[in-house]
Amino acid sequence: DAGVIQSPRHEVTEMGQEVTLRCKPISGHDYLFWYRQTMMRGLELLIYFNNNVPIDDSGMPEDRFSAKMPNASFSTLKIQPSEPRDSAVYFCASSPGQGPEAETQYFGPGTRLLVL
Amino acid sequence: SQQGEEDPQALSIQEGENATMNCSYKTSINNLQWYRQNSGRGLVHLILIRSNEREKHSGRLRVTLDTSKKSSSLLITASRAADTASYFCATDANSGYSTLTFGKGTMLLVSP
Repeated sequence: DAGVIQSPRHEVTEMGQEVTLRCKPISGHDYLFWYRQTMMRGLELLIYFNNNVPIDDSGMPEDRFSAKMPNASFSTLKIQPSEPRDSAVYFCASSPGQGPEAETQYFGPGTRLLVL
Repeated sequence: SQQGEEDPQALSIQEGENATMNCSYKTSINNLQWYRQNSGRGLVHLILIRSNEREKHSGRLRVTLDTSKKSSSLLITASRAADTASYFCATDANSGYSTLTFGKGTMLLVSP
């Protein structure tokens, strides 16, 4: 398996623009997570899905953030409009949810977002 | 607030030495995991220890868990320059399947 795939790897945009981050989880994993990592706040969970259904989005900072998972192999995290304080590295991770490695999370390489 | 807190924040050692990192947490857990993050990369799972386990080994890694003190330690023996990375502990809530809460990590530098 190729692991968790994220795109783009880097994104530079101007304040007010819409940003869409994409994730392809590992096939067969039931859980998908979106995290944001900054120096100040560390790694924060934004939202997670179980079998394509959003379970907890309490970590989403504002209504400007939205996430979807239309099918088991694709998820998006959208920021509209973007602001400079959204600059961070955004990670997608997936987890089997069952079996001996149920709780292990597999991370993608991240998308480094810079909002000017 | 962060569930897991790593200590020290940064650690610098020479190749061949052992590196010990500690993690403290606040509430009861099902399991505790350690992850590694190389610069510019995603996190990689290293080892999971369950609340009913006290010690676990994986290659050069040794993890201990003391639930009475709500603490864990990660020992890397005979360190190598390639071990240079940030190390995070992650804990879950003690109720079914739950999400992980990550600490801010220990940055380990292993010099040749």
